[in-house]
Amino acid sequence: AQSVTQLDSQVPVFEEAPVELRCNYSSSVSVYLFWYVQYPNQGLQLLLKYLSGSTLVESINGFEAEFNKSQTSFHLRKPSVHISDTAEYFCAVSEDFGNEKLTFGTGTRLTIIP
Amino acid sequence: DVKVTQSSRYLVKRTGEKVFLECVQDMDHENMFWYRQDPGLGLRLIYFSYDVKMKEKGDIPEGYSVSREKKERFSLILESASTNQTSMYLCASRGGGSWGNQPQHFGDGTRLSIL
Repeated sequence: AQSVTQLDSQVPVFEEAPVELRCNYSSSVSVYLFWYVQYPNQGLQLLLKYLSGSTLVESINGFEAEFNKSQTSFHLRKPSVHISDTAEYFCAVSEDFGNEKLTFGTGTRLTIIP
Repeated sequence: DVKVTQSSRYLVKRTGEKVFLECVQDMDHENMFWYRQDPGLGLRLIYFSYDVKMKEKGDIPEGYSVSREKKERFSLILESASTNQTSMYLCASRGGGSWGNQPQHFGDGTRLSIL
């Protein structure tokens, strides 16, 4: 069975500072990894995904995440955050085949301090 | 762009009522999911469906049932609502069959309060 751990439930960061949101997973098979973002009073939106190939994946709004197989991690980073990045971020993992489910972490609430 | 529509954003019901939450997707996706989201617990899967009339229990199915009579529509039913079912409910859909490389697409959620 797969599992996802997001170590930080809340992360406060000053505007224009860098941020890293941590995600570790466990699985006995090949996996795909996702980061979702949830803005207040909305559903989840896909931020970025790792399927295969380059271990560094990027989103259109400046976030990036690096798949590290040896450390079973998929940390999310942004070099300079903006007020509009205030949201909850969820890491999720799915198995390669045969299991339709996504397993989510418990989420990290990112608060940007002006 | 994929659109997943949940019929209500906010819903208030009374204990013991039968409650229906409706979800419709417009991308012909095989897979549909119902989650509940509670602070500190993340998203927990209630039920999912991989085809019309097919359903499988998720992690917390007790007190819930589902219906999928048409491919685009997936309904969550609270047979007899209780206060501990007060929560945010999220519906999602995904294509790709049993391959895990397709992301799930979410609706905006229904915030359900049981009084």
